[in-house]
Amino acid sequence: NAGVTQTPKFQVLKTGQSMTLQCAQDMNHEYMSWYRQDPGMGLRLIHYSVGAGITDQGEVPNGYNVSRSTTEDFPLRLLSAAPSQTSVYFCASQGWDTEAFFGQGTRLTVV
Amino acid sequence: QQQVKQSPQSLIVQKGGISIINCAYENTAFDYFPWYQQFPGKGPALLIAIRPDVSEKKEGRFTISFNKSAKQFSLHIMDSQPGDSATYFCAASPHTGNQFYFGTGTSLTVIP
Repeated sequence: NAGVTQTPKFQVLKTGQSMTLQCAQDMNHEYMSWYRQDPGMGLRLIHYSVGAGITDQGEVPNGYNVSRSTTEDFPLRLLSAAPSQTSVYFCASQGWDTEAFFGQGTRLTVV
Repeated sequence: QQQVKQSPQSLIVQKGGISIINCAYENTAFDYFPWYQQFPGKGPALLIAIRPDVSEKKEGRFTISFNKSAKQFSLHIMDSQPGDSATYFCAASPHTGNQFYFGTGTSLTVIP
């Protein structure tokens, strides 16, 4: 039982490049979400999903896309990376009546 | 606009002392209030959580106090230990599910 697995752990992108941050959970949780963590700002919700095929926007969705084709996976796509997207990204997974479990994070630098 | 306000930004406490972190919110739709602990290089981990039907919840050395009328809640860490040195986040979530709104975090240092 691995919990929430995020890949990669570190990534450097050039401005304008695209990439996908992967998130997988093996707890059969309905809810999954993506947050970004910036110094002095806590964690801010980017996108979330309440089940396969259902996604919705959080506080800071601009520049990011998500999809949820399976219960297990919830990838986050950056279509055209910008320096403002330099951050640490966390994926979280939660069951109907369980606590939220966070992955170890992906540290992204856009140059 | 920060939906959950957290203070202080940093806190230094002597070993054995009490650490107190405060949070406030405005949205009355929030009905789940967790506290997360985060160590460097790690993801946040749930420490303790409360729902607004109780005014206090205690788990070991950690206590949440909740004041529904004032829309405030706080974390008390009794007998603080150096191993408690971490960043603490309060959060709030509406009953509809997994959308957490986090405070800006408190960096706690416990001095031996």
